[in-house]
Amino acid sequence: KNEVEQSPQNLTAQEGEFITINCSYSVGISALHWLQQHPGGGIVSLFMLSSGKKKHGRLIATINIQEKHSSLHITASHPRDSAVYICAVRSGGSQGNLIFGKGTKLSVKP
Amino acid sequence: NAGVMQNPRHLVRRRGQEARLRCSPMKGHSHVYWYRQLPEEGLKFMVYLQKENIIDESGMPKERFSAEFPKEGPSILRIQQVVRGDSAAYFCASSSGFGEKLFFGSGTQLSVL
Repeated sequence: KNEVEQSPQNLTAQEGEFITINCSYSVGISALHWLQQHPGGGIVSLFMLSSGKKKHGRLIATINIQEKHSSLHITASHPRDSAVYICAVRSGGSQGNLIFGKGTKLSVKP
Repeated sequence: NAGVMQNPRHLVRRRGQEARLRCSPMKGHSHVYWYRQLPEEGLKFMVYLQKENIIDESGMPKERFSAEFPKEGPSILRIQQVVRGDSAAYFCASSSGFGEKLFFGSGTQLSVL
């Protein structure tokens, strides 16, 4: 079983829909990252959090340390949000030594 | 203010050749991280370097792979005697310090023929 599990693997939505991507982990962590990988391959760090909730524009990330679970929400989704969203955790290793989920491929249709 | 620069973008090597991948961190960043993304697999941590020091190489294969981050110049990931299984996308990221956000490069796609 992977230490970081994401669901769903694939997600298709209509423009304007509210989207939720889930991440569950089985190890103790000091930080959790949400990353966005564009179709061309480039990776952008969206959030780094260790507790509570963060918001940036239409993106919201939450984490529940007790339940070992994090969610990434996208409000008013748009076709340009189409990408692979990756959850990664830092678990006792050095900074940057992250354990990655396999990603959720999101496709937003106009 | 350029971001993290990786080159080359694409690198083709024949089995047995050497591959050198370069990463210039963002200005002011002294922490560099290398990751590998194999086809149809998730990203995997390889190595964490600060200027002139390897901090954590727990994700590096024991043989053929090495990394450096000299006082001057980019960080280099070196793969000797490449094999087909080394074909992957290699990403570099940098940060300014402990607990800081990571900034990723566009990656180098290595293809071994």
